[in-house]
Amino acid sequence: AQKVTQAQTEISVVEKEDVTLDCVYETRDTTYYLFWYKQPPSGELVFLIRRNSFDEQNEISGRYSWNFQKSTSSFNFTITASQVVDSAVYFCALSGDPQGGSEKLVFGKGTKLTVNP
Amino acid sequence: EAQVTQNPRYLITVTGKKLTVTCSQNMNHEYMSWYRQDPGLGLRQIYYSMNVEVTDKGDVPEGYKVSRKEKRNFPLILESPSPNQTSLYFCASSLIGGHGTEAFFGQGTRLTVV
Repeated sequence: AQKVTQAQTEISVVEKEDVTLDCVYETRDTTYYLFWYKQPPSGELVFLIRRNSFDEQNEISGRYSWNFQKSTSSFNFTITASQVVDSAVYFCALSGDPQGGSEKLVFGKGTKLTVNP
Repeated sequence: EAQVTQNPRYLITVTGKKLTVTCSQNMNHEYMSWYRQDPGLGLRQIYYSMNVEVTDKGDVPEGYKVSRKEKRNFPLILESPSPNQTSLYFCASSLIGGHGTEAFFGQGTRLTVV
């Protein structure tokens, strides 16, 4: 069975602080995909990143960066110099190998990030 | 513009009154699914469809029905809604079998059953 654990339920930081959101996953598939989604207070789900299991390169996009480590089954997300607009619930998700019948997205329970001015 | 459209966005209904939440995508995606989001539980898959006329249960299918008569539409049907189905619902679609490609989500439907 596939599982995603986001141990941090809520995080509160002050603007300009760096913050890391943790994500640990479990899967028996050798091919799988990892995602991060942002859910702002308005409620929609905003796609942030997709990573496949064969690509362990870290990625940076502006103030956002992602650290994928297969050895620890983690896919952590860091926001540098956080801003109030980063306040949202962030979900980590895992999709398994379609050939193996584990196509669905399995979500973690989410981490609510509050950035205070 | 590529999008997934859900309707309605908000709905308050009474126990037992049948309702349908519509979902339509304009990207010719094969794979569509429904999720519900509840506080402290994240998103859980209700039903999914690999293609037209092919649907299957997700993790929490009880009390729901779906159909996929056309590729673009994937309505969620609650035959006899109950208060425990009060939730935020999302429809999603992706290009191929599974969400290994990016999943596009609808705006969400906030359902309250009283």
